Amino acid sequence: SQQGEEDPQALSIQEGENATMNCSYKTSINNLQWYRQNSGRGLVHLILIRSNEREKHSGRLRVTLDTSKKSSSLLITASRAADTASYFCATGRGGGNKLTFGTGTQLKVEL
Amino acid sequence: DADVTQTPRNRITKTGKRIMLECSQTKGHDRMYWYRQDPGLGLRLIYYSFDVKDINKGEISDGYSVSRQAQAKFSLSLESAIPNQTALYFCATSDPGQGFEQYFGPGTRLTVT
Repeated sequence: SQQGEEDPQALSIQEGENATMNCSYKTSINNLQWYRQNSGRGLVHLILIRSNEREKHSGRLRVTLDTSKKSSSLLITASRAADTASYFCATGRGGGNKLTFGTGTQLKVEL
Repeated sequence: DADVTQTPRNRITKTGKRIMLECSQTKGHDRMYWYRQDPGLGLRLIYYSFDVKDINKGEISDGYSVSRQAQAKFSLSLESAIPNQTALYFCATSDPGQGFEQYFGPGTRLTVT
């Protein structure tokens, strides 16, 4: 079963606009991570937010975490065509911090 | 050179055949993972290993086996491939001392006919 569900499944925006993706999960977590996947390629880690953090920034990325609602959001500001990819949230749980991935959001940024 | 490599990158095999997917890493990480990705389902964990002597089943281990030959090598085997094992397979590594993120290989696209 999937721990994370992402919303929307697909998102199409114009270059320069902001893109927001949401992730919901079901059980307590150690941390929540966001990964990016270009078509058919391996995932690349973007950002990690710990369960005791509420917001984190990295370049054009902003992640928020609301543990009371068991949800997170990823904001990409001033999007570029090169941001076109699938984005996955992954929740880390347990002593070994195994990751459980969501179903992903397909982002398309058009020129 | 890539830190996490997978061979083969693409493979077509027939139902009932045994197949091995290999993963090697130069990152020096103790922890290694095998995932499969199906359209619309995200990634699901098949097996993971926290060191050479530690092998654990993941969410969907039935029909798969693994071997951790060395710190740098982690192989996934399908003893008797079936069509619903057609998927994209990823190997990943991590080092908890450096953070909890995982580093992924480029993937193996496996088709079972």
